[in-house]
Amino acid sequence: QVQLVESGGGLVKPGGSLRLSCAASGFTFSDYYMSWVRQAPGKGLEWVSYISTSDSTIYYADSMKGRFTISRDNAKNSLYLQMNSLRAEDTAVYYCARHLLLAAPDAFDVWGQGTMVTVSS
Amino acid sequence: EIVLTQSPGTLSLSPGERATLSCRASQSVSNSDLAWYQQKPGQAPRLLIYGASNRATGISDRFRGSGSGTDFTLTISRLEPEDFAVYYCQQYGSSPGTFGPGTKVDIK
Repeated sequence: QVQLVESGGGLVKPGGSLRLSCAASGFTFSDYYMSWVRQAPGKGLEWVSYISTSDSTIYYADSMKGRFTISRDNAKNSLYLQMNSLRAEDTAVYYCARHLLLAAPDAFDVWGQGTMVTVSS
Repeated sequence: EIVLTQSPGTLSLSPGERATLSCRASQSVSNSDLAWYQQKPGQAPRLLIYGASNRATGISDRFRGSGSGTDFTLTISRLEPEDFAVYYCQQYGSSPGTFGPGTKVDIK
């Protein structure tokens, strides 16, 4: 079945780094744009970044520019998010999500279960 | 960026009742590129509606999306116990895509 599984979350100190991974299965990963979306505890959803099928197009939300890097490895059916200079306000559940169509921005039709990132000293 | 406002913040209803959720955009949403998601506690969001009125795969016809321009509505015709959740709208017609703050539908 179509599935996205995130990993790599955890507790990190302010200013630290973390790399999230998302393993895709059940569909042709290389055919789809992918995004990261986050949700702070008790809050709403916030789009973080997206990457096109061949990583030729990448966008970030303004608050993540220069600190986060999205990438993908189509041979490994995997999506990544490298997060540097982490701040307390980056504390959230991070979801990877599949774009519905070959477009961006887009609706998201498949979501992972999320991985929790906590930034605290 | 386009700001989405959802109302009401909380909707308290009984099973079998009709739910009407509103999503208003600060400017017109291109091509009616508006989606609705359902999220239950501890779970990822689930796509219900895209393109303002198209049901996603496997979504019950009790869910109906409508609207255009700046005003959109999600209607749940007869609430089932599993429908009590938080609902988010999202516009993806303009970059960056943005989400509304959510409407919680809880049991009265």
